Amino acid sequence: GQQLNQSPQSMFIQEGEDVSMNCTSSSIFNTWLWYKQDPGEGPVLLIALYKAGELTSNGRLTAQFGITRKDSFLNISASIPSDVGIYFCAGQQGYGGSQGNLIFGKGTKLSVKP
Amino acid sequence: EPEVTQTPSHQVTQMGQEVILRCVPISNHLYFYWYRQILGQKVEFLVSFYNNEISEKSEIFDDQFSVERPDGSNFTLKIRSTKLEDSAMYFCASSRDRAGELFFGEGSRLTVL
Repeated sequence: GQQLNQSPQSMFIQEGEDVSMNCTSSSIFNTWLWYKQDPGEGPVLLIALYKAGELTSNGRLTAQFGITRKDSFLNISASIPSDVGIYFCAGQQGYGGSQGNLIFGKGTKLSVKP
Repeated sequence: EPEVTQTPSHQVTQMGQEVILRCVPISNHLYFYWYRQILGQKVEFLVSFYNNEISEKSEIFDDQFSVERPDGSNFTLKIRSTKLEDSAMYFCASSRDRAGELFFGEGSRLTVL
């Protein structure tokens, strides 16, 4: 089936550092979404991208929808301790109903440097 | 802020037993979904539901699974005869429109013994 390759798998951050993660796919997606998941909770939507080339910000978060529609990145600037968690990219090929389901990446786990 | 709510938060059951997981989607949303996440793994699509019928389902969603919207607010996932490998977090999600953003509930943890 379709897969999203998300990298890195994990990373350690120091407060104040910028963070970058990305997702790539061999398939084209019409929508890219970025979610954050804290332990024991459901994914929380961070940013949604709908157009190829779109660059969208949400506070310290910035995400871009790749021109080829096969990739997306998420940047977090000036990280803070509450940024730790698992970040998932998710792609949606079509519209709700047929092909409206999300395909998730395997996640990027953000931890604080000891 | 409106949210998707799920019950129970945790259910422990014996293999072979039936389980029903319940969800109340966001009230003006029209599209409903179930996803599952095995511990430490990615979130996987199970089924989508619109206009009182299944729109799409994955290969995970076999004959042991069913979904229902018994009234105007609840959306349920039933597993007829649970297996050990059904142990996972099950997430309900809803979206308002066709290309919409999905909003997830906090999940129901199912443990099959």
